Amino acid sequence: SYVLTQPPSVSVAPGQTARITCWGNNIGSKSVHWYQKKPGQAPVLVISYDVDRPSGIPERFSASNSGNTATLTINRVEAGDEADYYCQVWDGNNDHALFGGGTKLTVL
Amino acid sequence: EVQLVESGGGLEQPGRSLRLSCAASGFTFDEYAMHWVRQSPGKGLEWVSGITYNSNSIAYADSVKGRFTIFRDNAKNSLYLQMTSLRTEDTALYYCAKGGTVGGWDTEFDSWGQGTLVTVSS
Repeated sequence: SYVLTQPPSVSVAPGQTARITCWGNNIGSKSVHWYQKKPGQAPVLVISYDVDRPSGIPERFSASNSGNTATLTINRVEAGDEADYYCQVWDGNNDHALFGGGTKLTVL
Repeated sequence: EVQLVESGGGLEQPGRSLRLSCAASGFTFDEYAMHWVRQSPGKGLEWVSGITYNSNSIAYADSVKGRFTIFRDNAKNSLYLQMTSLRTEDTALYYCAKGGTVGGWDTEFDSWGQGTLVTVSS
């Protein structure tokens, strides 16, 4: 079955750029969605269909998807961005949604 | 404003059953696929099950197939998850999530409830 791999953690200083990767075999052929999950809160969609930013999501959030890697980029990181981030795709072989293991973003 | 409110969670013994509900408002419920996603303590997000807007298509994660049943009542704007043969590994916060496209299936999850906690323990 299809597997999505994310680094367990990423650390960045305030004001710097955070990049969170999501690896999957030929993931560039799939649509990737990204979610932000803070403790005690519901997940929030921050990027849909590889690059689209939903209403209300800051322009600091962007993403790309090509080859075997999808990347979520957060520019000018703020303390409030500290959260777990998950990538998600659909496995067309079995019509199941699939999440990556999640990446904990720590703002130093 | 989209609102999804889950209920029905609680403490249950292994092998027993539980039914979760999700009350939806703020959008045309019968136009969107709906899903259940769970998060076990200290773990990541796991998609559990989904159902199309008209209930014509349903899918389950392998971990719950044959034990859980998803269904919806469009007249009541409600989604349900009937959980049977519960296992300790089913312990999790269960979220109701809305599909992002009218009539779509394999879309993003654009709105989420706050979740309902299911604890399976003897």
